[in-house]
Amino acid sequence: KAGVTQTPRYLIKTRGQQVTLSCSPISGHRSVSWYQQTPGQGLQFLFEYFSETQRNKGNFPGRFSGRQFSNSRSEMNVSTLELGDSALYLCASTVIAGPNSYEQYFGPGTRLTVT
Amino acid sequence: KNQVEQSPQSLIILEGKNCTLQCNYTVSPFSNLRWYKQDTGRGPVSLTIMTFSENTKSNGRYTATLDADTKQSSLHITASQLSDSASYICVVSPGAGGTSYGKLTFGQGTILTVHP
Repeated sequence: KAGVTQTPRYLIKTRGQQVTLSCSPISGHRSVSWYQQTPGQGLQFLFEYFSETQRNKGNFPGRFSGRQFSNSRSEMNVSTLELGDSALYLCASTVIAGPNSYEQYFGPGTRLTVT
Repeated sequence: KNQVEQSPQSLIILEGKNCTLQCNYTVSPFSNLRWYKQDTGRGPVSLTIMTFSENTKSNGRYTATLDADTKQSSLHITASQLSDSASYICVVSPGAGGTSYGKLTFGQGTILTVHP
């Protein structure tokens, strides 16, 4: 089974621009979560989508948005980029593995640099 | 506020030695705790997962322990190898599956460096 794929792997943008990142979960997984990882803050939850619906949202400004398509692929968009948005953006594909248990698989991430 | 604190922030050991990483959490109610290994430039990979009723879980040379009463967990690495050099992240889930994936609380991670 193919793992979680994220595109692009690396991206350089300038302040004020907008960016779209893509994530394809493991086949059959319907839950996709997005995280931002920075050296100072560690991993922070952005949002989660399940069956095309946003189910949870973290504490990020409205410049961060996402969506999920019927094939479970997900995109996240960041508008009006700021220098502080430079980070590794990770996507995770999740499936319930049993009572009180789940399996979460992370993609390799997209390294976004804002200059 | 739910928090997960890891210590030490970084650790350097010699190949072949053992080490123990610590994780203290305040997440309540608590469902399960997971340790991830993240190689540089890669996404995290799950090492172990323990529910509140489990005390220990092993995965090869990795052994995680959990004390739900004191809200502490540790990850013990035996006979370290150069490939163990990575960031180790403790993650706590406040609830059971369902809509709780997004409520995971992540520790800052411990950066382990294994020298030959």
